[in-house]
Amino acid sequence: DAKTTQPPSMDCAEGRAANLPCNHSTISGNEYVYWYRQIHSQGPQYIIHGLKNNETNEMASLIITEDRKSSTLILPHATLRDTAVYYCIVSNFNKFYFGSGTKLNVKP
Amino acid sequence: SQTIHQWPATLVQPVGSPLSLECTVEGTSNPNLYWYRQAAGRGLQLLFYSIGIDQISSEVPQNLSASRPQDRQFILSSKKLLLSDSGFYLCAWALGTGSVNEQFFGPGTRLTVL
Repeated sequence: DAKTTQPPSMDCAEGRAANLPCNHSTISGNEYVYWYRQIHSQGPQYIIHGLKNNETNEMASLIITEDRKSSTLILPHATLRDTAVYYCIVSNFNKFYFGSGTKLNVKP
Repeated sequence: SQTIHQWPATLVQPVGSPLSLECTVEGTSNPNLYWYRQAAGRGLQLLFYSIGIDQISSEVPQNLSASRPQDRQFILSSKKLLLSDSGFYLCAWALGTGSVNEQFFGPGTRLTVL
């Protein structure tokens, strides 16, 4: 079962930062936080993951709170192509349980 | 580079008919393999995962089964389809070593049961 809670949808203006929250209050010490996104009718795409430190790559930044009970995915300059469903997942092994995700609507 | 293939891309089947969906991975050895199902407007549901040939774990009891006859081949089957089996079926692979693995998804099969 999914161990994360995300808002069902969010809007963001093109060119602005998109901040997607995720609650994972029951996360265990050895579980990582992963973010994937799914563009309509495609398979999910990996974005980023982290354990307790903040992470950044070419796609996004991941901010994890000190108590690790929540995290935020940041897309620094959202484009129309970033419109997708974003999934936050916690896992300590290779089994991923996807929740319902957040539908991000990037608007011009 | 690694690639993952699924076929068919779309499938329309009558209720009660059998099902066989195939997934193959190229460019890697001993991957972990996964089958997910996504109902319309919903998130992904993990159905089966496999860490090796003939080593398969079922996550959800239902009328589906999975087999892994070869290292890089994963098959999802059913003897009799139900209407509720309609959905988008995704196969994924991950490296079989370590505990932090990115999963790579195939293009999916859209199944409609009538």
